[in-house]
Amino acid sequence: RKEVEQDPGPFNVPEGATVAFNCTYSNSASQSFFWYRQDCRKEPKLLMSVYSSGNEDGRFTAQLNRASQYISLLIRDSKLSDSATYLCAVNILTGGGNKLTFGTGTQLKVEL
Amino acid sequence: DTEVTQTPKHLVMGMTNKKSLKCEQHMGHRAMYWYKQKAKKPPELMFVYSYEKLSINESVPSRFSPECPNSSLLNLHLHALQPEDSALYLCASSQDSASGDTQYFGPGTRLTVL
Repeated sequence: RKEVEQDPGPFNVPEGATVAFNCTYSNSASQSFFWYRQDCRKEPKLLMSVYSSGNEDGRFTAQLNRASQYISLLIRDSKLSDSATYLCAVNILTGGGNKLTFGTGTQLKVEL
Repeated sequence: DTEVTQTPKHLVMGMTNKKSLKCEQHMGHRAMYWYKQKAKKPPELMFVYSYEKLSINESVPSRFSPECPNSSLLNLHLHALQPEDSALYLCASSQDSASGDTQYFGPGTRLTVL
């Protein structure tokens, strides 16, 4: 079983739609959680850190469910510019320090 | 300023060449990382440096040799690479490697091995 799993998509949605991504992780010792956005041939850029209490940044809402070991990202009123790959990432504490492990990424295409 | 810089942007090398990738950050971060990313795959961790010491090596072949000359710089020395090593090599940094805080990525070096 992969340490971090995501539906690879693609998710094709019309502009203005609400879209939700989920990500599950297998290691209960995971410490911290993130959503990154990656555009084609670019580096991952931090979108949001994810907390159990949930956090919101404009049209984006992230949630962590430690009991069920999943994290989610909700994008409301999607824009064409939201088209990208969304990577969830989980920090797992090991003997050498924290290791950030990424899910496979979910591709989002927002269309007119 | 959450900037990590990497040079070169692109690199083409033969299997017998020796080259180096460079990474720099001026955020006062004490942890730096090398990742490898193949097309349509997520980044995969290669090495972690914490306070200028190598703390994690993810069983990376010895043809990849990391070096951390000081707290702001991270190099990756390449020698006798194989065509399957062609990928995007990403550097990242964070405050430290024990607290699980955010990692910030550089733009990457796109490496092609002929």
